[in-house]
Amino acid sequence: QVQLVESGGGVVQPGRSLRLSCAASGFTFSDYPIHWVRQPQGKGLEWVAVISHDGTIKNYGDSVKGRISISRDNSRNTVSLQMISLRPEDTGVYYCAKDGLDYSGLDVWGQGTTVTVSS
Amino acid sequence: IVVTQSPGTLSLSPGERATLSCRANQSIGSKYLVWYQHKPGQAPRVLIYHASTRATGIPDRFSGSGSGTDFSLTISRLEPEDSAVYYCQQFAGSPWTFGQGTKVEIK
Repeated sequence: QVQLVESGGGVVQPGRSLRLSCAASGFTFSDYPIHWVRQPQGKGLEWVAVISHDGTIKNYGDSVKGRISISRDNSRNTVSLQMISLRPEDTGVYYCAKDGLDYSGLDVWGQGTTVTVSS
Repeated sequence: IVVTQSPGTLSLSPGERATLSCRANQSIGSKYLVWYQHKPGQAPRVLIYHASTRATGIPDRFSGSGSGTDFSLTISRLEPEDSAVYYCQQFAGSPWTFGQGTKVEIK
C-alpha cells in the first residue's frame, strides 16, 4: 500500500545538526513532490519544506529558511531533511507527506518522527 | 500568506451543525484551499480540496465553500467520531501555510 515512513528523530543539543529521512513505497515516487510538516507539542501544524518530483525545485518555510535543506534520491525512493543550528523551538513531530498534485493537498502522510532540541 | 482560523474551539452536541472559518490575508482564489482533519495519534487526512471538493471516502456531511479570502468548512450533523482538530492550508503561494486549527469537541 502507499506508505511513507520517517526516521532519524531524536534528542539533540541546541546548535547541533540532525538529518531526517522519509522512505516511500507503494507509488511512483518520482512523480510526486514531497513535503515536510512539523507539529510542536501542543501546537498546530507548520509547513516546513517541499521538494519537486525531480528535486530541482525546493521551497522552505520562513522559520527554517537557511537552516534546513531538503533533498531526494529517486533511485532509493527517499527524501531527506538536513537540519542545522537547531533551536529549542524546532522541537516537535516531523511528518513527511506526499503531494496529491493539482493543489489537492497532502494526501498521504507518515506517522512522524519526534525531534527534541534540548540541552 | 497568513491564514487565520476561527473559532479556536467549538463545543457542540451530536447532530448539531459546525461551521469553521478560514481567512487568508490576501486573495487565494478558489482552487488553492485544502481542509484537513487531524486526530490524536493519527496522520492528518484531506477532507476538502479546491475549497469545495470532497476527497475520496469523505462523508457528505462535510462540505466546504468560499473563494478569495474567506472560506468555511461545515459539518452538517456532528457525530462523535468528528472530534478532532481541523486545519486549512493554502497552496496559492510559498510558504504553503496552515491555519492554526479549530478544535471540535463533541459534548
